[in-house]
Amino acid sequence: GAGVSQSPSNKVTEKGKDVELRCDPISGHTALYWYRQSLGQGLEFLIYFQGNSAPDKSGLPSDRFSAERTGGSVSTLTIQRTQQEDSAVYLCASSPGQGANGYTFGSGTRLTVV
Amino acid sequence: KQEVTQIPAALSVPEGENLVLNCSFTDSAIYNLQWFRQDPGKGLTSLLLIQSSQREQTSGRLNASLDKSSGRSTLYIAASQPGDSATYLCAVTQTSYTGTASKLTFGTGTRLQVTL
Repeated sequence: GAGVSQSPSNKVTEKGKDVELRCDPISGHTALYWYRQSLGQGLEFLIYFQGNSAPDKSGLPSDRFSAERTGGSVSTLTIQRTQQEDSAVYLCASSPGQGANGYTFGSGTRLTVV
Repeated sequence: KQEVTQIPAALSVPEGENLVLNCSFTDSAIYNLQWFRQDPGKGLTSLLLIQSSQREQTSGRLNASLDKSSGRSTLYIAASQPGDSATYLCAVTQTSYTGTASKLTFGTGTRLQVTL
């Protein structure tokens, strides 16, 4: 596609439920990031995929968070047993080659846990 | 560990003024530096990308400079307009031990308001 697509754009879920957030990167982009941005806060790194290499999961805040990237393209971020502090905007970005030409961000998914 | 800092955290200027936003980073082994704009409730829009071998990039009223050795970048906005009001973020792409591009680290952001 022309840009990075994220779905859903908004998600309201009840505390304790699981959620899945989807990111469709730009076709052919090998690098993919997930970030989250809580209200009034900066961007917090979550996970980084680069080609077929093992992902850098060092930013995942707890074992309730996981992400996968199928076929080197679409990525899904899963949050299990959601908590209110998980409420944030989750942003995805992709790059053609390890960030050498910069990153393009999606519009994000706004997650609200009630 | 790379740390990226932006000064000031917030800035309010009258329309028409020229302004400078500052970004500093602690590890000069960067692959490139990118300036983004974020409007309230929106994602990030890329403004300018400077490769580590470059000194500056220009796009319209925007000019970004990079001094890798001192760990600094500036974003210059000429003739500011109310539509420029947004949060501006700088981000650096690290260079891995193999010399390729690696992780992306964001600054803390500068919230700009341009008033009429």
